[in-house]
Amino acid sequence: EAQVTQNPRYLITVTGKKLTVTCSQNMNHEYMSWYRQDPGLGLRQIYYSMNVEVTDKGDVPEGYKVSRKEKRNFPLILESPSPNQTSLYFCASSFGLAGLTGELFFGEGSRLTVL
Amino acid sequence: GNSVTQMEGPVTLSEEAFLTINCTYTATGYPSLFWYVQYPGEGLQLLLKATKADDKGSNKGFEATYRKETTSFHLEKGSVQVSDSAVYFCALSRGAGGTSYGKLTFGQGTILTVHP
Repeated sequence: EAQVTQNPRYLITVTGKKLTVTCSQNMNHEYMSWYRQDPGLGLRQIYYSMNVEVTDKGDVPEGYKVSRKEKRNFPLILESPSPNQTSLYFCASSFGLAGLTGELFFGEGSRLTVL
Repeated sequence: GNSVTQMEGPVTLSEEAFLTINCTYTATGYPSLFWYVQYPGEGLQLLLKATKADDKGSNKGFEATYRKETTSFHLEKGSVQVSDSAVYFCALSRGAGGTSYGKLTFGQGTILTVHP
């Protein structure tokens, strides 16, 4: 089954404790991206990657890091989480550039709470 | 820059009612336009799209027409069902060229609840 898998789905952590949200896709997609979803703000792009070892900042990259060492994986790293990073996070992938095909495939989301 | 504005929600309807969710956009050039749907507890999935002016996207009884003159892409359905209860996102992409190359810009989302 074609899918984007995120882990963990739910996490409660404390300020400053480094964490990683993993994302893996089994569709051989070149493009991967992370979004955060907050009430009234919709989805905002954090980082994206157009292929292995190629990453770039989205609209709200502060406080986040990513890496793309393998085509299928695109982990999101919070080196020192703060309460304003409490949010619902989505990983997404697509063939080529999402803006050209329009079809992003989303994971089920990871709800993060930073105390 | 590019932006998408959706009608304020939430929207609450009875089953079989007519649905309209308004979406307007600001973009230079000729963007492609999309509607995504997010069912409870799930990620977003593409509902329909239109890539040029006057195109109509349709899927699962939903329709939206790309209106360049009014910069709009309103979502409509003639008879909603309880199973249509979800959050609906309008989005645009600029396509090739510029710093927004390949990027989807989403609206804030509209919550739809359909009662039996």
